[in-house]
Amino acid sequence: KNQVEQSPQSLIILEGKNCTLQCNYTVSPFSNLRWYKQDTGRGPVSLTIMTFSENTKSNGRYTATLDADTKQSSLHITASQLSDSASYICVVSDRGSTLGRLYFGRGTQLTVWP
Amino acid sequence: EADIYQTPRYLVIGTGKKITLECSQTMGHDKMYWYQQDPGMELHLIHYSYGVNSTEKGDLSSESTVSRIRTEHFPLTLESARPSHTSQYLCASSGGLAGGGQETQYFGPGTRLLVL
Repeated sequence: KNQVEQSPQSLIILEGKNCTLQCNYTVSPFSNLRWYKQDTGRGPVSLTIMTFSENTKSNGRYTATLDADTKQSSLHITASQLSDSASYICVVSDRGSTLGRLYFGRGTQLTVWP
Repeated sequence: EADIYQTPRYLVIGTGKKITLECSQTMGHDKMYWYQQDPGMELHLIHYSYGVNSTEKGDLSSESTVSRIRTEHFPLTLESARPSHTSQYLCASSGGLAGGGQETQYFGPGTRLLVL
């Protein structure tokens, strides 16, 4: 069964600190993995996308890693800011259909305190 | 910021009412999607469209219907709302030749629906 599991479910950190969010998946055949940021009351916004051959992708203070062998990904946030408070969703796409089915994790709810 | 819009943003209605959630995008994307999201849960695909006059049901069974008469517009209709329909509904779109899974989906702000 194709699944995407994220941990932790929620995380509280102090402003300025770093944190790492985890994503494990069983989706096969694998096409790509995205991290989305979803602010409260808003739609998700894409942060990074990685294909099978990529193992690191950065977007400002956000760095995503991918280990396609172990089917794990992480999102590292450096020098956190209050505006980083949001849900971070891991999304994996398969290559099994024209639509390119997306599998969503439940997200990690990050809260950054001043 | 993606150019995809949803109205209304919030809706509180009584059981049995017919409602239509609007979604429009100005990016010329051929593919559009409707997702349902409950608090703390993953997004579930309920409808999608490859283009005008093309609509398909997603993975999550839904009593809603959709139409795609124009490229930019993808409304979702509930003929008779029930409390079980209370949820957040997110519209998304994507475009390009790479295929659905290769394309980044751009999401609207969502409609929060409460059925009493």
